[in-house]
Amino acid sequence: EPEVTQTPSHQVTQMGQEVILRCVPISNHLYFYWYRQILGQKVEFLVSFYNNEISEKSEIFDDQFSVERPDGSNFTLKIRSTKLEDSAMYFCASSGDRAREQFFGPGTRLTVL
Amino acid sequence: DQQVKQNSPSLSVQEGRISILNCDYTNSMFDYFLWYKKYPAEGPTFLISISSIKDKNEDGRFTVFLNKSAKHLSLHIVPSQPGDSAVYFCAAMGSGSARQLTFGSGTQLTVLP
Repeated sequence: EPEVTQTPSHQVTQMGQEVILRCVPISNHLYFYWYRQILGQKVEFLVSFYNNEISEKSEIFDDQFSVERPDGSNFTLKIRSTKLEDSAMYFCASSGDRAREQFFGPGTRLTVL
Repeated sequence: DQQVKQNSPSLSVQEGRISILNCDYTNSMFDYFLWYKKYPAEGPTFLISISSIKDKNEDGRFTVFLNKSAKHLSLHIVPSQPGDSAVYFCAAMGSGSARQLTFGSGTQLTVLP
């Protein structure tokens, strides 16, 4: 069964460093999303991406964040200068139909020291 | 901003009995609702969904009920099995172009053998 994959599973970085989180969505899907879950809190929407551009972004997704689909298979989330409060589980999701379910990857645990 | 609420943080049920998980929402613009199951250190796994034009959707042991006038939905699991023990998230999708998901805070279901 097709699935969304994410790498790395765990990323530890120093505050102020750049990180890139990688995702491979399900191959025939067209809509891509990033969510995050800070420990003990809800899963929160960050950004959606369709047709090589951002469709919508939340207030969390500020200028420190960017997304890219560099090669038609990978979907990346870059945080330019990490802050302590960026520590969270980051989930990538994809959907083949805007009106249907989104399938999530296993997540990347980001720890900012 | 609690547009999707799951008021029960935990629920314990005996194996073989029915599990009922509840979810309330406040935003009338939500038109599609989903339930996800999540194990620790994994991403949310899609279970079942329902469109706002329906009041019931069934898939095997899982049934979702939607009461639009009360802005309430519930997930019924019958019969409950120990493997169903997990955190269950309710999520809602708006009618905007990006179709981002708004999640509830989750309910930890424990099915006792």
